[in-house]
Amino acid sequence: AQKITQTQPGMFVQEKEAVTLDCTYDTSDQSYGLFWYKQPSSGEMIFLIYQGSYDEQNATEGRYSLNFQKARKSANLVISASQLGDSAMYFCAMRGHVQKLVFGTGTRLLVSP
Amino acid sequence: DAGVIQSPRHEVTEMGQEVTLRCKPISGHDYLFWYRQTMMRGLELLIYFNNNVPIDDSGMPEDRFSAKMPNASFSTLKIQPSEPRDSAVYFCASSLSYRSPRNTIYFGEGSWLTVV
Repeated sequence: AQKITQTQPGMFVQEKEAVTLDCTYDTSDQSYGLFWYKQPSSGEMIFLIYQGSYDEQNATEGRYSLNFQKARKSANLVISASQLGDSAMYFCAMRGHVQKLVFGTGTRLLVSP
Repeated sequence: DAGVIQSPRHEVTEMGQEVTLRCKPISGHDYLFWYRQTMMRGLELLIYFNNNVPIDDSGMPEDRFSAKMPNASFSTLKIQPSEPRDSAVYFCASSLSYRSPRNTIYFGEGSWLTVV
């Protein structure tokens, strides 16, 4: 079975600072994908970044980067230069051979001025 | 390109009424997922389809819930009869196979259901 663990219910960061949101996973699949989604208060699920299990380099998308440590089964999201608009829920998820996306419980990020 | 389109965005209905949620996936995607999100249970997969065929419906709560995908561009999730505990946000999502290099699952904006 696949499992995603996000141990930080809430995180606080000041504007312009960097923040790391933790995610660990468990799977017996050799090939899988790891995803991060952002859910602002308006409710939509916004795809942020993807990391394939065979990708040798960590994924980056603008201010988002994924710190992928395969041996430790972790896929932490790093947001650089936080902005007020980054305040939201963040979900880590994985997808393997069973095709469905398995989500963690999420981390609520609050960015303060 | 248009994203995943869901309707209605918001629905308030009385207990016992039938509710139908609709979804148009992204063109070319062969996987379609229905998720439900509540404060208590988080994001739960209800059912998913591959090439219009239901693959895993183990998350469907009970017989009151049914889902169909009559063609590649349309799916429905029906609740009959609805109960207050069905109040949630229902997301539809679509993607290519996870084996595809472009296998991101994209979500619609959600259908916010309130059963009173």
